[in-house]
Amino acid sequence: AQSVSQHNHHVILSEAASLELGCNYSYGGTVNLFWYVQYPGQHLQLLLKYFSGDPLVKGIKGFEAEFIKSKFSFNLRKPSVQWSGTAEYFCAAPSCSARQLTFGSGTQLTVLP
Amino acid sequence: SQTIHQWPATLVQPVGSPLSLECTVEGTSNPNLYWYRQAAGRGLQLLFYSVGIGQISSEVPQNLSASRPQDRQFILSSKKLLLSDSGFYLCAWSRTITDTQYFGPGTRLTVL
Repeated sequence: AQSVSQHNHHVILSEAASLELGCNYSYGGTVNLFWYVQYPGQHLQLLLKYFSGDPLVKGIKGFEAEFIKSKFSFNLRKPSVQWSGTAEYFCAAPSCSARQLTFGSGTQLTVLP
Repeated sequence: SQTIHQWPATLVQPVGSPLSLECTVEGTSNPNLYWYRQAAGRGLQLLFYSVGIGQISSEVPQNLSASRPQDRQFILSSKKLLLSDSGFYLCAWSRTITDTQYFGPGTRLTVL
C-alpha cells in the first residue's frame, strides 16, 4: 500500500528563514504528487503539483518542490518564509490502486515575526 | 467556476443520535467526490469516495456511511453517533481520481 511520510510534524522558523519540508512516498507506480496547504481558518488548497516533465515545480506564493524519483521524495521549499506562511502543509500521492490520494500526516509550520 | 459547499459548519450532537452531513458541488458534472476526516497530527483519513451516482467505496470500517443520491451531492451519515466520531469532516471533489482535489470548508462535529 502507498504510504506518504512527512517526517517533520512541527517546524518553527523565524521570518526570512529558508524552508524545506520533507515528503517521501513508498509506491512510485503512478507519480502524481501534490502539496496542499491549510491556512488558519481557511479551506485546504492546492499549493503545487507534479505530474510529469521538469522535476522542479513551482507553485503559488513562491513555493517550489523537487521530485527526485530515485529517492521517492517530493520536498517542498521556499527561500524566505513570511509570518503569513504559518499553516499546515500536506503532501499527497496516489494510492497503489490509483483510485485515490494518500495524504501524509501533515507538517505544522509556525513562522515567528 | 466550481464551488463546493458543506453544511453545517459546526454541529454538536449527543451520543446515539443520527448524523447527516451534506456536500454539494457546483459548476462541474460527474465529479469524483470524497469524504475525509481530519484529526490533529494525523493528517487526512479518507473515509469514502464516489465516482458516480450510487457508487460508494469505503476505505475504513466504521460507524459511518455515505450516499450519492445526485451527481453533485454527497452525504455522510450515521444512525447512532459514537464519541469517537467527533472530528473535522472534509468533503472534496476532483475531475479524475488522481487529479487535484478541491476541498470544502469542512464541518466540525462534536459528539457529547
